[in-house]
Amino acid sequence: GAGVSQSPSNKVTEKGKDVELRCDPISGHTALYWYRQSLGQGLEFLIYFQGNSAPDKSGLPSDRFSAERTGGSVSTLTIQRTQQEDSAVYLCASNQRGGANTGELFFGEGSRLTVL
Amino acid sequence: GQQVMQIPQYQHVQEGEDFTTYCNSSTTLSNIQWYKQRPGGHPVFLIQLVKSGEVKKQKRLTFQFGEAKKNSSLHITATQTTDVGTYFCAGRNTGGFKTIFGAGTRLFVKA
Repeated sequence: GAGVSQSPSNKVTEKGKDVELRCDPISGHTALYWYRQSLGQGLEFLIYFQGNSAPDKSGLPSDRFSAERTGGSVSTLTIQRTQQEDSAVYLCASNQRGGANTGELFFGEGSRLTVL
Repeated sequence: GQQVMQIPQYQHVQEGEDFTTYCNSSTTLSNIQWYKQRPGGHPVFLIQLVKSGEVKKQKRLTFQFGEAKKNSSLHITATQTTDVGTYFCAGRNTGGFKTIFGAGTRLFVKA
C-alpha cells in the first residue's frame, strides 16, 4: 500500500484479555516505531525496530507488552492481560533511514484500544 | 533518560494573532522534527532541523533550532482557523534513532 496500514482500527476488549495490533509499514522502510497516545496526551514511545538489529524496547511500560517484526516488514504489538489503563490509541510509524531522506516518520491512522 | 518538554500545553488565540510553541530537551539532539496533528487525525510531518542555529520557514511558519541543539521553537504568524490542531516537537539523540515526542501544544483559533 501507499501508506502505513494499521489494524484493527478499533478494538474493544474486556479487562484481562490479550490483544494483538498489527502494523504494515511503507514498503522498503527499514525503521518501524510504536507509540501510544492516551486521550488528549502526547505520544509515548514504546519500541523501535531497525532492520535486523535488536529492537529498542526501552519504552515498553511493562512485561505485558511485547512486539515482533517478522521479515523486517509487518509488526505485531501484543498486550497480555489488558488493563483499563492500556486504553489508548496505538500509533505505528515507519521511516527510511539513510540517503537524502528527511527523517520524516510516516504514521498510520492508529488502532484505538478500549479496555472495559 | 531523554526527555523533551514542550510549552505551553494549550494556546487560545484570535484569528490573525501570532502563536509560538517552545520545545526543550534534557540532552543534546542530533535533530528536531515538528509534526501537526489535527483533531481525530494522526501526526503529520512538517519539518526537520539538523544544524545548530538553523532557521527554516514554511509560508507563515518559522522553525528554529537552538545553538546548543537542545531547544527549538515553532512560530506561526497571523494564525488562521486552518492552523487548529496539536503541534508536537520530536527529538532524536546524537548517535541514536529513538525519536521522543514532546507533550504537544494544542492550538485553538477563534474566528
